[in-house]
Amino acid sequence: GQQVMQIPQYQHVQEGEDFTTYCNSSTTLSNIQWYKQRPGGHPVFLIQLVKSGEVKKQKRLTFQFGEAKKNSSLHITATQTTDVGTYFCAATDPGGGADGLTFGKGTHLIIQP
Amino acid sequence: DTGVSQNPRHKITKRGQNVTFRCDPISEHNRLYWYRQTLGQGPEFLTYFQNEAQLEKSRLLSDRFSAERPKGSFSTLEIQRTEQGDSAMYLCASSLTELFFGEGSRLTVL
Repeated sequence: GQQVMQIPQYQHVQEGEDFTTYCNSSTTLSNIQWYKQRPGGHPVFLIQLVKSGEVKKQKRLTFQFGEAKKNSSLHITATQTTDVGTYFCAATDPGGGADGLTFGKGTHLIIQP
Repeated sequence: DTGVSQNPRHKITKRGQNVTFRCDPISEHNRLYWYRQTLGQGPEFLTYFQNEAQLEKSRLLSDRFSAERPKGSFSTLEIQRTEQGDSAMYLCASSLTELFFGEGSRLTVL
């Protein structure tokens, strides 16, 4: 079945530093979604990427979808304490007809003030 | 509140007991999903409905697990003969495109 691998598992940064998390798949993805989960909270949708090479920005967050549609990244510029949480990528199985999103294990972002 | 609602929020039960969780999705969403999440892990897909039809079930979903969505609105997830390994957060989500998650139902099996 579909698997998406995320790295790193944990990332410690100083407030104001940049942060990047990467999502990789062994198969071509039809689309990829990113979610954020605050400590003690539930996952909240951030964005969906569909097109090869697509880049989308939301304020300090930049999302990229690879040209081969097998990888994606989320970059946060100048982190703030409100960015703390776990960032998940999620994808549907493009070949198996399954509609359930498969989530990566997430990257836990820890910010030191 | 027009978000996804789940109850109970917390359930502590003894091994071998049955438990049932309820999810009320966002009203105009025809898709409803159940996920399970353990500490430090990403949500694991369990099953999904489009309206009242259960279209997909994960291999993670053993015979002790059953989900229903009888009228295409709310859904229930029942776990029979609970085991300690069933302890987790059970998340419900509804969608048109992206997933909107509820707060989850935390199950602790003693």
